[in-house]
Amino acid sequence: DSGVTQTPKHLITATGQRVTLRCSPRSGDLSVYWYQQSLDQGLQFLIQYYNGEERAKGNILERFSAQQFPDLHSELNLSSLELGDSALYFCASSPTDNEQFFGPGTRLTVL
Amino acid sequence: DQQVKQNSPSLSVQEGRISILNCDYTNSMFDYFLWYKKYPAEGPTFLISISSIKDKNEDGRFTVFLNKSAKHLSLHIVPSQPGDSAVYFCAASRYNFNKFYFGSGTKLNVKP
Repeated sequence: DSGVTQTPKHLITATGQRVTLRCSPRSGDLSVYWYQQSLDQGLQFLIQYYNGEERAKGNILERFSAQQFPDLHSELNLSSLELGDSALYFCASSPTDNEQFFGPGTRLTVL
Repeated sequence: DQQVKQNSPSLSVQEGRISILNCDYTNSMFDYFLWYKKYPAEGPTFLISISSIKDKNEDGRFTVFLNKSAKHLSLHIVPSQPGDSAVYFCAASRYNFNKFYFGSGTKLNVKP
């Protein structure tokens, strides 16, 4: 158990819909990272927050947004969902810039 | 643009033998490299890392080798155990740069 929790574990929705994925980092970790893993692909870095502020951005679509709240939990919002958005979404938290602890992931299926 | 590549999607090894997982990268600015292990239905877990000032780092049965001139790193597992069966991801970053680039993973199967 990494100490990072993600909810929900599974999410099935329809194209055009909007969903919110939630991540609670390990106690004391200020950084949260979001990754997308599509079928047979590596983890694609989406975005990083540090203590409530956006710190780094990767291949995140404009339809996607994220935020980190004062209690350090983070949410990833995915809107206007397309079939290709079906993937595993991982959150990781970090006490330093070079060590990450991953949550179990949320599997999103868009039908 | 895939900056980190793992060209072998799968590898099968007999228990007790050596497992060698390979990873190539294209960005010469990367100076920190990591290996993660992932079991089904779990998130990746950190295994071992190496910075570009070294060419080898060992941790028990796991050793990572870095060849900067070839932009290549490898993970050696000796001896391999059935519990090592998992997907292994390599990742690279610039130190303190906050962005990590992952390969597509290699599924290791260690046969008893």
